[in-house]
Amino acid sequence: DQQVKQNSPSLSVQEGRISILNCDYTNSMFDYFLWYKKYPAEGPTFLISISSIKDKNEDGRFTVFLNKSAKHLSLHIVPSQPGDSAVYFCAASVNTGTASKLTFGTGTRLQVTL
Amino acid sequence: KAGVTQTPRYLIKTRGQQVTLSCSPISGHRSVSWYQQTPGQGLQFLFEYFSETQRNKGNFPGRFSGRQFSNSRSEMNVSTLELGDSALYLCASSLEGAGYQPQHFGDGTRLSIL
Repeated sequence: DQQVKQNSPSLSVQEGRISILNCDYTNSMFDYFLWYKKYPAEGPTFLISISSIKDKNEDGRFTVFLNKSAKHLSLHIVPSQPGDSAVYFCAASVNTGTASKLTFGTGTRLQVTL
Repeated sequence: KAGVTQTPRYLIKTRGQQVTLSCSPISGHRSVSWYQQTPGQGLQFLFEYFSETQRNKGNFPGRFSGRQFSNSRSEMNVSTLELGDSALYLCASSLEGAGYQPQHFGDGTRLSIL
């Protein structure tokens, strides 16, 4: 049962344009959402997160939007740069106050072309 | 500030052997989680340790075990290795493992079973 889904395995965007990566989840208990970027032969790098009490969080070129009613979140990268080419994972957790574990999507490979 | 350090980076074992992987968290981080990444199953949560106690566990057989030391360093052990255990094993640390804190990953140990 895939509780976190990234339905687009790949995305190609021109340099300077906006990249929009999407993620859907099924578990309504999730209350913390994160995006990670992963290059080959490296571990995932934390990008940005959002808690369920918010619907938007910005950090530089990265903005995450959360639509709780639709159980959907998206990551916007503006403007896209060639160095953004990587696999992007969304992840979610239930913060019980004592422990948390991340449930990951299957990833979207972003290619930013010149 | 040093990141999460995992050793060794690469390991080759044969079926039936056992293996121990090591993880040193970011200084000051007390929560350490382990994940398995395979092409077929993606990133899956193995377990989390906090203050030398296993606090959360994923759906993996008992052959997978771990421990945490008083300095928050963690080890993961896999006994009676099977071909399907070939994967990238990732360790992540966070301050407390709860309360909307991101986990930060190491670069992983690539385990190959022959």
